[in-house]
Amino acid sequence: EVQLVESGGGLVQPGGSLRLSCAASGITFTYYWMSWVRQAPGKGLEWVANINQDGSEKYYVDSVNGRFTISRDNAKNSLYLQMDSLRAEDTAVYYCARDRGALGFWGQGTLVTVSS
Amino acid sequence: EIVMTQSPATLSVSPGERATLTCRASQSVSSGLAWYQRKPGQAPRLLIYGASTRATGIPARFSGSGSGTEFTFTISSLQSEDFAVYYCQQYNNWPFTFGPGTKVDIK
Repeated sequence: EVQLVESGGGLVQPGGSLRLSCAASGITFTYYWMSWVRQAPGKGLEWVANINQDGSEKYYVDSVNGRFTISRDNAKNSLYLQMDSLRAEDTAVYYCARDRGALGFWGQGTLVTVSS
Repeated sequence: EIVMTQSPATLSVSPGERATLTCRASQSVSSGLAWYQRKPGQAPRLLIYGASTRATGIPARFSGSGSGTEFTFTISSLQSEDFAVYYCQQYNNWPFTFGPGTKVDIK
């Protein structure tokens, strides 16, 4: 059974940092692109970033480019999202998902709240 | 950025009836279009990719069609478990973008 389990969310002040993790099981992690998608309260789904199988290609939506860093550790079957210079508008549930285009599996999400 | 729109915003359907949802892209996405189902408290579930290919394990009552800028998603005979929000998403051009969703509820 495929499982993607996010962790690391929480309350952080504006300007602060947070690192999200996603632990994958039930898949051959090294075969897949991986993605982060978020949904702010009352808003739609927004693709944040994705990363290829060996970490050599990374893409970011403009709103997070230069502040967020996606990475992966294939030995640990884990995906990460380092979020720096956080803003109120980054408040959202962050989902880890398998694949790059059509997302075949999603985690249950972790809530990030940016507030003073 | 490609903007995705969906219509209607809400569709009220009786069980057993057919539901047809529309998704439009602000520019061509070729066949790089996916459909997802989302129920309250759950993550989205992939139903269709490549505009018309059902994902693994998805029942045949779900179908998709279209290419370019106009896409249609159909549930041929609604079951009780199908009442949910449905999203389209393009993955032809980065950044990949989602539509706002169509809520299918019980009439």
